[in-house]
Amino acid sequence: NAGVTQTPKFQVLKTGQSMTLQCAQDMNHEYMSWYRQDPGMGLRLIHYSVGAGITDQGEVPNGYNVSRSTTEDFPLRLLSAAPSQTSVYFCASSATGGAGEKLFFGSGTQLSVL
Amino acid sequence: AQKVTQAQTEISVVEKEDVTLDCVYETRDTTYYLFWYKQPPSGELVFLIRRNSFDEQNEISGRYSWNFQKSTSSFNFTITASQVVDSAVYFCAPPHGETSGSRLTFGEGTQLTVNP
Repeated sequence: NAGVTQTPKFQVLKTGQSMTLQCAQDMNHEYMSWYRQDPGMGLRLIHYSVGAGITDQGEVPNGYNVSRSTTEDFPLRLLSAAPSQTSVYFCASSATGGAGEKLFFGSGTQLSVL
Repeated sequence: AQKVTQAQTEISVVEKEDVTLDCVYETRDTTYYLFWYKQPPSGELVFLIRRNSFDEQNEISGRYSWNFQKSTSSFNFTITASQVVDSAVYFCAPPHGETSGSRLTFGEGTQLTVNP
């Protein structure tokens, strides 16, 4: 099993460009989520999904869209990138999304918006 | 509110020293879970331990041990005989109640540097 796979690992965008960060898991997990990690801010939850077709907002959802058409994939879309979205992005999954479940993380995507 | 305080922003030790990372939490839940994660310089997040509020036994895993004290709302992490490979940021996640699902949040963590 590959676990949680994120692509790309690095990305540079210009302000106003759009792009999609990919996240896939092969553990048949129902729950998937996206975090961003900024210096001095810890990890903050952007969006999450408790199953295919169901998504919800986390702590910092503005500027990001998500969809969950399959159990395996949970892409994060930046519609019009801004310098404030320069960050490291992590995708994470857990079996059912229940309290106390271990979160499995991808290796991260480092995004720079110029 | 669910909150955790890791008062030590940065710790620097010399190899083979023991080191304790403090974690004090606040919660209104009677049932909750606590987590520690590690983020080495390579950047990935690695699960270390999960503890539920009903189990107050201390846990030891090799050189790692955790001291959970409900009376003082603390869940401290000790590394015995530290090694350079232990250098990482360590996150104690805020208490996770039943209604929170898997929506863990993480503060800034404690940056541990182990020098040779």
